[in-house]
Amino acid sequence: AQRVTQPEKLLSVFKGAPVELKCNYSYSGSPELFWYVQYSRQRLQLLLRHISRESIKGFTADLNKGETSFHLKKPFAQEEDSAMYYCALLGGSNYKLTFGKGTLLTVNP
Amino acid sequence: NAGVTQTPKFQVLKTGQSMTLQCAQDMNHEYMSWYRQDPGMGLRLIHYSVGAGITDQGEVPNGYNVSRSTTEDFPLRLLSAAPSQTSVYFCASSYGYRSTEAFFGQGTRLTVV
Repeated sequence: AQRVTQPEKLLSVFKGAPVELKCNYSYSGSPELFWYVQYSRQRLQLLLRHISRESIKGFTADLNKGETSFHLKKPFAQEEDSAMYYCALLGGSNYKLTFGKGTLLTVNP
Repeated sequence: NAGVTQTPKFQVLKTGQSMTLQCAQDMNHEYMSWYRQDPGMGLRLIHYSVGAGITDQGEVPNGYNVSRSTTEDFPLRLLSAAPSQTSVYFCASSYGYRSTEAFFGQGTRLTVV
């Protein structure tokens, strides 16, 4: 069975501070991991995927297979980063996309 | 392109009523799925489809039916609505399986009284 754990329901930081949203996963195979973001009153959208090794809006995430983690990081948070963030794992025989419970990030001015 | 379109945006049902949530995509995506979003629970997979004529159950399928007669449409049917089905429902689609982006609809907020 595949599982995604986001230990923090809420995370509050000040503008300009570093931010790290934690994600741990459980999966027997080779995982495909993603971060999705949902801004207020907008639909869920892809932020980044581990296979692309890209930085989007200043965010990066590194897959650590030893620690089974895929934490999302940004060195300097901005107010517009305030949103709900979901870590997701794509896997299984039918490649189901499993989400964590989400972390609500609030960036205070 | 419209992307993934869900209708209606809001709905109030009485316990025991049935209804269908519509989902349509115009991107020729093979893979479509339905999630429900509840506070503190994240997104949970209800049903999914890997192509026309093929559907399967997700994590929380009870009380819901789906069908996939065309590539474009993937309706979700509530057979007999219960207050526990009060939630926000999201439809998603993606082109294939591996490492592809899932595109989401804007959601349907359903209240069962």
